[in-house]
Amino acid sequence: KNQVEQSPQSLIILEGKNCTLQCNYTVSPFSNLRWYKQDTGRGPVSLTIMTFSENTKSNGRYTATLDADTKQSSLHITASQLSDSASYICVVSAYGGSQGNLIFGKGTKLSVKP
Amino acid sequence: EAQVTQNPRYLITVTGKKLTVTCSQNMNHEYMSWYRQDPGLGLRQIYYSMNVEVTDKGDVPEGYKVSRKEKRNFPLILESPSPNQTSLYFCASSLAGWGANYGYTFGSGTRLTVV
Repeated sequence: KNQVEQSPQSLIILEGKNCTLQCNYTVSPFSNLRWYKQDTGRGPVSLTIMTFSENTKSNGRYTATLDADTKQSSLHITASQLSDSASYICVVSAYGGSQGNLIFGKGTKLSVKP
Repeated sequence: EAQVTQNPRYLITVTGKKLTVTCSQNMNHEYMSWYRQDPGLGLRQIYYSMNVEVTDKGDVPEGYKVSRKEKRNFPLILESPSPNQTSLYFCASSLAGWGANYGYTFGSGTRLTVV
C-alpha cells in the first residue's frame, strides 16, 4: 500500500535555530515528491517538487533532500523565523494507478518560539 | 492573480440540507481536485477531474458529488449533509494531474460544520 510517513508529529524550536523534518515513503512507481507549507486554516503552499533524479532542491531558507534508494526525504529549515510556524506536509506522486491523486503525509506541526 | 477561489469560506448548516461549495480557477488548469482535512488524518481526496466532463472518485467519495461542465469550475455538492462531513475542505488545481511535475495550487479552504 502506498504510504507517506512523517516525523516528528510536532516540533518546537527557538527562533533563529535550524531544524530538519523527515519523510519516509513506500510509493511505487515513484514520480515526484513535494513539500508543502500549510498555515493554520489555510491551503497548502508548495515549497519544492523533486523528481527521481534530483537529490537536493532549495527555496530560500528551505532545502529539501531526496534519497530515492532509501525512499526518504528531509526538509531542512535554516535560521527559523516566527513565520515558519506551520504544518509541513510531504506529498508523493506515483505513476499509473486508477486514481489521479497524490499520497499525503499527515504533516509535521512546527512551532517557532521567540 | 493566479488563484483557486473557494466559496464560502465558512458554512454552518443542518443535517440533510443540500449545499454546494464552489471552486473556480483562473489558470486554465486541466486537473482539479477536492480534499477534506480532519485532525490527525491529513488531507484525503474526495473527487478529482482530469478534464472537462471527466471526474473520478478519490479515497473518500461517499456522500459527495461533483461536476466539471467548464474547465474553470469544479463545485462540490453535498446532497444530504451529515455531521461526519464536518471538516475543512480544499479545492486544488494543476496544469496536469498525477505523475506530472507541476505544482498544485490550493484554495483557501471552506470550513463546514453540519449540526
